[in-house]
Amino acid sequence: AQSVTQLGSHVSVSEGALVLLRCNYSSSVPPYLFWYVQYPNQGLQLLLKYTSAATLVKGINGFEAEFKKSETSFHLTKPSAHMSDAAEYFCAVSRGPSGGSYIPTFGRGTSLIVHP
Amino acid sequence: EAGVTQSPTHLIKTRGQQATLRCSPISGHTSVYWYQQALGLGLQFLLWYDEGEERNRGNFPPRFSGRQFPNYSSELNVNALELEDSALYLCASSLEGALRNTEAFFGQGTRLTVV
Repeated sequence: AQSVTQLGSHVSVSEGALVLLRCNYSSSVPPYLFWYVQYPNQGLQLLLKYTSAATLVKGINGFEAEFKKSETSFHLTKPSAHMSDAAEYFCAVSRGPSGGSYIPTFGRGTSLIVHP
Repeated sequence: EAGVTQSPTHLIKTRGQQATLRCSPISGHTSVYWYQQALGLGLQFLLWYDEGEERNRGNFPPRFSGRQFPNYSSELNVNALELEDSALYLCASSLEGALRNTEAFFGQGTRLTVV
């Protein structure tokens, strides 16, 4: 079975500081990996996705993530946080164990808090 | 182009009642997914419909059910409501079945409150 672990339910940074949100996955086959962002009272919006092409993936709003197979990680980073980045972030993995089903599995989410 | 739309935005029901939530996918999308987002639990997969058929369901009791109509819109029904069913219910749609390498587009959700 596939699963996702997001380390830290809350991450607090100062405006302008580096953002690092951690995600580790487990999957019996090469995964497809996603990061989504959820602003208050809204649905989820895709930030970026990894689908076995380049291991460093660039997304919207200056975010990027690196797929590290040896560490089974897909951490999300942004060099300089903005106040507008404050939101809930979800990591998701999608790849069925037998190739027939690709139900996406989400982590519990990390709330990013940005201080002025 | 319209995104994924869900209705109603908010729904208040009493324990034991039934709730019906609706979702219209993006035009051309055939797959619809339902998730429950309860406080502190992330997104829990409920149901996946594709081409009018239920393809998979998550670890939820049978009182959670749904269907997909010929126009690919979908309904989620929750019978015999319990207090712990209070949550944000999110619908997502995608072009291909089960995401594969395609993006899932989410609606704004329906906030269900059971009192």
